[in-house]
Amino acid sequence: DTGVSQDPRHKITKRGQNVTFRCDPISEHNRLYWYRQTLGQGPEFLTYFQNEAQLEKSRLLSDRFSAERPKGSFSTLEIQRTEQGDSAMYLCAWEALQETQYFGPGTRLLVL
Amino acid sequence: QKEVEQNSGPLSVPEGAIASLNCTYSDRGSQSFFWYRQYSGKSPELIMSIYSNGDKEDGRFTAQLNKASQYVSLLIRDSQPSDSATYLCAVDRNDMRFGAGTRLTVKP
Repeated sequence: DTGVSQDPRHKITKRGQNVTFRCDPISEHNRLYWYRQTLGQGPEFLTYFQNEAQLEKSRLLSDRFSAERPKGSFSTLEIQRTEQGDSAMYLCAWEALQETQYFGPGTRLLVL
Repeated sequence: QKEVEQNSGPLSVPEGAIASLNCTYSDRGSQSFFWYRQYSGKSPELIMSIYSNGDKEDGRFTAQLNKASQYVSLLIRDSQPSDSATYLCAVDRNDMRFGAGTRLTVKP
């Protein structure tokens, strides 16, 4: 148990559709991060939240991507008008003491 | 732009041997360094964190950091088949950068 759950675990969608992923920390952790990982690569940073404030966004996060963390608890990542290149594992992580991050199980997205 | 480079591997060692995994990073201002292990189809799990030059040991794992050389390594002693996985080096807390990972296979 890493202290964070993600839903759904798998998502298959057609190109052009919108998808939304959810990340739920078991308890309210201050910092919450989103990453994307493609096959054979390490995770790529997308964005992070300090409580409900989105403090940094990667240039990878195009206008089609949006993330929210209302009330500083759970977070959502939405991808609009999905493209085949969006197929990846989307990972959520929370930050514990000494800047260490613990990952959730991830949501695997396949865009057909 | 921070870059993190790892030996692509694959690295194969016999059971009981020492596995040595290496990582270099480009941002001299980096302050925190992490090693994650990732089994196929699973999410990364944290093994070690290191912040100061020198060695840090935790069980069979030792992380080594040399900021002057911008080099981080992970040693796994008495390697076990269950250690077979991809090992990811990560640098810094904000917009954390990961290497592509080194795939390790421990042969019985």
